[in-house]
Amino acid sequence: GAVVSQHPSWVICKSGTSVKIECRSLDFQATTMFWYRQFPKQSLMLMATSNEGSKATYEQGVEKDKFLINHASLTLSTLTVTSAHPEDSSFYICSARVPGLDLGYTFGSGTRLTVV
Amino acid sequence: GQNIDQPTEMTATEGAIVQINCTYQTSGFNGLFWYQQHAGEAPTFLSYNVLDGLEEKGRFSSFLSRSKGYSYLLLKELQMKDSASYLCAAMDSNYQLIWGAGTKLIIKP
Repeated sequence: GAVVSQHPSWVICKSGTSVKIECRSLDFQATTMFWYRQFPKQSLMLMATSNEGSKATYEQGVEKDKFLINHASLTLSTLTVTSAHPEDSSFYICSARVPGLDLGYTFGSGTRLTVV
Repeated sequence: GQNIDQPTEMTATEGAIVQINCTYQTSGFNGLFWYQQHAGEAPTFLSYNVLDGLEEKGRFSSFLSRSKGYSYLLLKELQMKDSASYLCAAMDSNYQLIWGAGTKLIIKP
């Protein structure tokens, strides 16, 4: 149980285009979804926290107009990278807190984004 | 500021025991997590400690000392599949996770 399905697993896009990443909680309701970015050999960096039905909270230094987050339902949150540039190439991972699991968090499988 | 420290890399032998240490400094504290992450994959939950002491789960155990801001993950009977990065994360008073950079564990036959 407590699965977060993330799509796509990997994507290659051209500079200037937009890419949408979806995360769905399959067997529980994710009131809050966390979006992380991870560069090679580095730690997870929290980008933003999305709450169902309200605006996302972005971490300092993360451009909210570039990384659009939508959390329209309790089971779906999306991250859209707009006007992507090569420096946006990274591993993007979503995560949700699992109710009743010792406060454990479950992660999506991640999206490897390469901007060329 | 908030900070998590763990070794960058460790090497151990198959069948042996290895201890991965983590020290943390956070604004408030609501628990310490350990995650395993294989290359190119998302992290998977291993353990959560909020009280002092040792929590054992099969081959993996996790220890916490709140007074020292210290935790360790103990892996016994190491297997080749245990080669991965191990991430330590502390939850602060706002229930936000502060992540360490991860410890890459290399298992040799």
